[in-house]
Amino acid sequence: RKEVEQDPGPFNVPEGATVAFNCTYSNSASQSFFWYRQDCRKEPKLLMSVYSSGNEDGRFTAQLNRASQYISLLIRDSKLSDSATYLCVVRAYSGGGADGLTFGKGTHLIIQP
Amino acid sequence: EADIYQTPRYLVIGTGKKITLECSQTMGHDKMYWYQQDPGMELHLIHYSYGVNSTEKGDLSSESTVSRIRTEHFPLTLESARPSHTSQYLCASSLWADEQFFGPGTRLTVL
Repeated sequence: RKEVEQDPGPFNVPEGATVAFNCTYSNSASQSFFWYRQDCRKEPKLLMSVYSSGNEDGRFTAQLNRASQYISLLIRDSKLSDSATYLCVVRAYSGGGADGLTFGKGTHLIIQP
Repeated sequence: EADIYQTPRYLVIGTGKKITLECSQTMGHDKMYWYQQDPGMELHLIHYSYGVNSTEKGDLSSESTVSRIRTEHFPLTLESARPSHTSQYLCASSLWADEQFFGPGTRLTVL
């Protein structure tokens, strides 16, 4: 089983709709969670961190469910510019290794006019 | 915008050539990383460094080597490139353990 699993999509969503996708992680010792955004043929950029209490940044809401070991990302009132691949990133720092970051394959989102 | 740079952005070379991919950051970050990413696939960590004279291999085995003589510079070298090395190579840096800032990447094609 992969450490971080995401539905690769693509998710084809009309502009203005709400879209949500999940990411599951296998390491119960995971401590930090993030969503990164990667545009086609570009580098990943941090979209938001995911806190235990959940957090919201404008149209984006991230939730963490430790019991079921998944995080979610909700995008409201989707824009054409939201089209990208969304990477789920999990950190399970065990005192060794490069901060223990593990990247998912990403979920490809296409917002259609 | 993050101040992390990679050169060249695109490189097409023949088998057996020695190449060095450059990565520099001006943020004073101690931690730097090299990832390899194939199209549609996840990032795989191949090297990392926690500071000057510190280098470690990542999760994905790679024939490349790295050096960290200066804080701002973290070059990656392939002594003898092969077609199997064709991929995108992304350099990143971070101040703490959380957010990593990525460079624009080098797309390498080995013929």
